[in-house]
Amino acid sequence: AQSVTQLGSHVSVSEGALVLLRCNYSSSVPPYLFWYVQYPNQGLQLLLKYTTGATLVKGINGFEAEFKKSETSFHLTKPSAHMSDAAEYFCAVRTFTGANSKLTFGKGITLSVRP
Amino acid sequence: DTEVTQTPKHLVMGMTNKKSLKCEQHMGHRAMYWYKQKAKKPPELMFVYSYEKLSINESVPSRFSPECPNSSLLNLHLHALQPEDSALYLCASSQGPSGRMNEQFFGPGTRLTVL
Repeated sequence: AQSVTQLGSHVSVSEGALVLLRCNYSSSVPPYLFWYVQYPNQGLQLLLKYTTGATLVKGINGFEAEFKKSETSFHLTKPSAHMSDAAEYFCAVRTFTGANSKLTFGKGITLSVRP
Repeated sequence: DTEVTQTPKHLVMGMTNKKSLKCEQHMGHRAMYWYKQKAKKPPELMFVYSYEKLSINESVPSRFSPECPNSSLLNLHLHALQPEDSALYLCASSQGPSGRMNEQFFGPGTRLTVL
């Protein structure tokens, strides 16, 4: 079975500071990993994904994540936070159910950005 | 067209009402998904359609009835709901069949309130 763990529920950073949101995975097969962002009263938007190949993945809005198999991690980073980054962030892993697959989400983490 | 649309945006219904949620995508995706999301929680998968056939039902109560009339359209019929069913209902789609899902694209959701 596949799962992801997002430790903590809330991260607060100052505008311009580094953003680091942690995600650890558990998977018995090579994982497909995703980061989604959800702004208030909106759906989920894909920030980036890792399937195969390059372990450093660049996404939208200046975010990137690095797949580290030895650490079973897929942490999300952004060098300089912007006020507009305040949102809920979900890490997810593709999980197989028989011949089908689905996304298994972490519990999410709220990012606040202070002026 | 690169988006998933959902109607209505908001819905208020009584426990004896019958209503339907609608989801549409014109990206040629072959898998579509319904999720339920409570405040400050990750989305919970309800149903998956792959090639217009129901492939996953996550033990959802029968008061929720999905329908996939064609490859672009997904409905969720609601009947005799309970107040605890109040939530944001999200639709998503993915390019391949669910067994080869690479990423999911989400709609903006329908905010449902059951009185």
